[in-house]
Amino acid sequence: DSGVTQTPKHLITATGQRVTLRCSPRSGDLSVYWYQQSLDQGLQFLIQYYNGEERAKGNILERFSAQQFPDLHSELNLSSLELGDSALYFCASSVLAGGQGGELFFGEGSRLTVL
Amino acid sequence: QQPVQSPQAVILREGEDAVINCSSSKALYSVHWYRQKHGEAPVFLMILLKGGEQKGHEKISASFNEKKQQSSLYLTASQLSYSGTYFCGTASTGTASKLTFGTGTRLQVTL
Repeated sequence: DSGVTQTPKHLITATGQRVTLRCSPRSGDLSVYWYQQSLDQGLQFLIQYYNGEERAKGNILERFSAQQFPDLHSELNLSSLELGDSALYFCASSVLAGGQGGELFFGEGSRLTVL
Repeated sequence: QQPVQSPQAVILREGEDAVINCSSSKALYSVHWYRQKHGEAPVFLMILLKGGEQKGHEKISASFNEKKQQSSLYLTASQLSYSGTYFCGTASTGTASKLTFGTGTRLQVTL
């Protein structure tokens, strides 16, 4: 158990819909990262927050948005869903931000299926 | 830009050694290695920082050549438990938060 909690674990929805994925980082971790992993693919970096502020952005679509709240949990919002958005979405947390930031602790992921 | 890993896949017999390479077209500050078993989340192995020393963890070690912007992960005397997909992640600066992962190397260890 990494200490990172993601909900829901599984989500099935239809094209055009909107979903929200939630992440609670490890106690004490200020950084939250979101990654997308499609079937048998690598980890695509989406976005990162540090203590409530956006720190880095990757290949995140305009239909996707995220935020980190004062209690440090984070939400990833996916709207106007398409079939290609079906993937495993990982949240990870770390104490520090940046390339020197140490170990990332990954949650178990939220598996999104768009039908 | 995504680092490039090689090989894409490798099959070993238990006890054999393997090397996984990771290269980037950008100057690197740090290289991170993770292992992901099927159906599970990635798990941290080690970080190598610019100017740092080669790291090791039991029979898994890694090196970081800053000039060549490359890192290699060495798995010695592989065990069945080493099976999984190995990802390298790279960061270009110490303050940049973007940790970009390669496409992964699938390692299978057999009896």
